[in-house]
Amino acid sequence: KAGVTQTPRYLIKTRGQQVTLSCSPISGHRSVSWYQQTPGQGLQFLFEYFSETQRNKGNFPGRFSGRQFSNSRSEMNVSTLELGDSALYLCASSLEGLTHNEKLFFGSGTQLSVL
Amino acid sequence: GNSVTQMEGPVTLSEEAFLTINCTYTATGYPSLFWYVQYPGEGLQLLLKATKADDKGSNKGFEATYRKETTSFHLEKGSVQVSDSAVYFCALSERSSASKIIFGSGTRLSIRP
Repeated sequence: KAGVTQTPRYLIKTRGQQVTLSCSPISGHRSVSWYQQTPGQGLQFLFEYFSETQRNKGNFPGRFSGRQFSNSRSEMNVSTLELGDSALYLCASSLEGLTHNEKLFFGSGTQLSVL
Repeated sequence: GNSVTQMEGPVTLSEEAFLTINCTYTATGYPSLFWYVQYPGEGLQLLLKATKADDKGSNKGFEATYRKETTSFHLEKGSVQVSDSAVYFCALSERSSASKIIFGSGTRLSIRP
């Protein structure tokens, strides 16, 4: 069974640009969540999608958005990039994402550098 | 709000030493508690979990016990190996959601041969 796949692995952008990151969950998993990892702030929850709907949201500005497709693949978009958006963006998937008994599987992440 | 506090790193130990990484939490209700591990260049992997008070999670020689009275979930291993070198994250989630996880700041562990 393939794991969670994130593309691209590395990205370099300049301030003001926008970026789209992609995540393919494990087959059969319908919940996809996104996290931002930085040395200063650590790991922070961005949002979660289930059945093409955003179900949970963290405390990030509106420049951070996402969507989920009917095959459960998800994308996240960051508009008007700032230097502080440089981070490792991790995607995680689970079957339904509803209860604490479910296991979360993480991808290897997309390393975004904003210059 | 909910939060997790874990000991600052880095922690450097010799092979076969005893390991403890302290973790305490603040939460309403009865959260589930986790330890995740991140090896260099890889994503997070669940190491162990406990879902109720006095539960002990264990995996690969690591153990942690859910202590509600001290709101703690300390990670221990009796004899560490070089291959245990990684960053360890203590985390919690509310019982109603598996996906919205609150992580501690992480502790980098280095094991000397």
